[in-house]
Amino acid sequence: AQSVSQHNHHVILSEAASLELGCNYSYGGTVNLFWYVQYPGQHLQLLLKYFSGDPLVKGIKGFEAEFIKSKFSFNLRKPSVQWSDTAEYFCAVNTVAAGNKLTFGGGTRVLVKP
Amino acid sequence: DAGVIQSPRHEVTEMGQEVTLRCKPISGHNSLFWYRQTMMRGLELLIYFNNNVPIDDSGMPEDRFSAKMPNASFSTLKIQPSEPRDSAVYFCASGTGGPTDTQYFGPGTRLTVL
Repeated sequence: AQSVSQHNHHVILSEAASLELGCNYSYGGTVNLFWYVQYPGQHLQLLLKYFSGDPLVKGIKGFEAEFIKSKFSFNLRKPSVQWSDTAEYFCAVNTVAAGNKLTFGGGTRVLVKP
Repeated sequence: DAGVIQSPRHEVTEMGQEVTLRCKPISGHNSLFWYRQTMMRGLELLIYFNNNVPIDDSGMPEDRFSAKMPNASFSTLKIQPSEPRDSAVYFCASGTGGPTDTQYFGPGTRLTVL
């Protein structure tokens, strides 16, 4: 069965700092990968997704993620964060075998200090 | 588009009472998902429907939980009888189907069982 690990549960950083959130999955076949964001008091929304092609994926709000198949990773990055990036970030994986059933990681809470 | 609509937004009930959560997916979407989010367990998929048919209910915690989708524009998640450990935020999401599909989440229902 597929599973997703996000090793950082909480991240605190200052504005303009760079952000990288780790995501590792366990599944040996073809995967589709997603990052969702949940701003305080709001619902989840998609940041970006990867299912084929260029392993470096650009998303909304200046976020990007890189799929490294050999490391089973899909880390999320942003070169310079803003206070408004304070949110919880979820990595999710979907495999062809599982159809469109997403498995989410535990989430990483990011606090950006002004 | 109004997005995914959930009601009620907040529900406070007493242990043993029946609780019904409602969801209206985005028009034209043929996949619908129910998730539960708690601090301890993170975001868990409870059940998902494709074309109104339940495809995978392996995440439904026990027989007290049931879900229906009588038509393409409405779904319910029922808990009977409710217990304090059911307290969580319940999200509904919809999509157009397929493993690369983006899921669009509703605002959630915050359930508190006393």
